[in-house]
Amino acid sequence: DTGVSQDPRHKITKRGQNVTFRCDPISEHNRLYWYRQTLGQGPEFLTYFQNEAQLEKSRLLSDRFSAERPKGSFSTLEIQRTEQGDSAMYLCASSLKADDNEQFFGPGTRLTVL
Amino acid sequence: GENVEQHPSTLSVQEGDSAVIKCTYSDSASNYFPWYKQELGKRPQLIIDIRSNVGEKKDQRIAVTLNKTAKHFSLHITETQPEDSAVYFCAASMRSWGKLQFGAGTQVVVTP
Repeated sequence: DTGVSQDPRHKITKRGQNVTFRCDPISEHNRLYWYRQTLGQGPEFLTYFQNEAQLEKSRLLSDRFSAERPKGSFSTLEIQRTEQGDSAMYLCASSLKADDNEQFFGPGTRLTVL
Repeated sequence: GENVEQHPSTLSVQEGDSAVIKCTYSDSASNYFPWYKQELGKRPQLIIDIRSNVGEKKDQRIAVTLNKTAKHFSLHITETQPEDSAVYFCAASMRSWGKLQFGAGTQVVVTP
C-alpha cells in the first residue's frame, strides 16, 4: 500500500497515561499534517511539518501534545497525561511541495481515553 | 483565523436528483477550496478543488462554484447515485499546501 499509513489504528488508554501515534506519509511527500476529528465534526488542524521542520502549531495544541518528524519521513504525535477530552480520531495527511497538490489522508488512529 | 460554515448538515435526495452543499468562509485571503468525501469508517478523500482565480470547475457529475465577493462556494452533484452517500466536507486554506480549515460536514443520503 503506497498511501499514508498510521499506527495503531485504535488505542484505548486510561486517563493520565501517555500515548504515541505514528504516521508514515506517502514516499517523497515533504509536507505532513496532523488533524483531530471528533464525531460529527470536520477535521481540526493540529500541526504541520515541512521536511523535519515543524512550521505551524494550532493554539488547540496544548503543552501535553508534542509532534516530531526527526528525519523528515515518518512523524510521531505524543499526548502526555491523557484526558477524556482527548478522545478523538487523529488523522495524518501528507502532500508534495508543488503549486498544485492535495492532502492525502491516512486511515487515522482512534483514541479512547477511559 | 479562518472560519468555515457549511450547510445543510444533512441532505436526503432521491437517486437521480441533484444535491447542493454550500459553504461560506471568513478570511478573504483564503484562495484554495477543496471538497472531501468521507465514507463511514474511512479516510477523507479529495473529490474536487478550486482556486480563487477560477469561478467554476467541473469533473463529470461533480462541480464546484466560487463567489469570492460573497465569500462562498458550493458543491453540486448531479444524477446522484447510492454510492454518493457519505459525509462531505468543504475546506478553505490560504495556500494549496497550507493547513485546511474544514466545515462541519454534510451527511448526504441518496435513496434508491
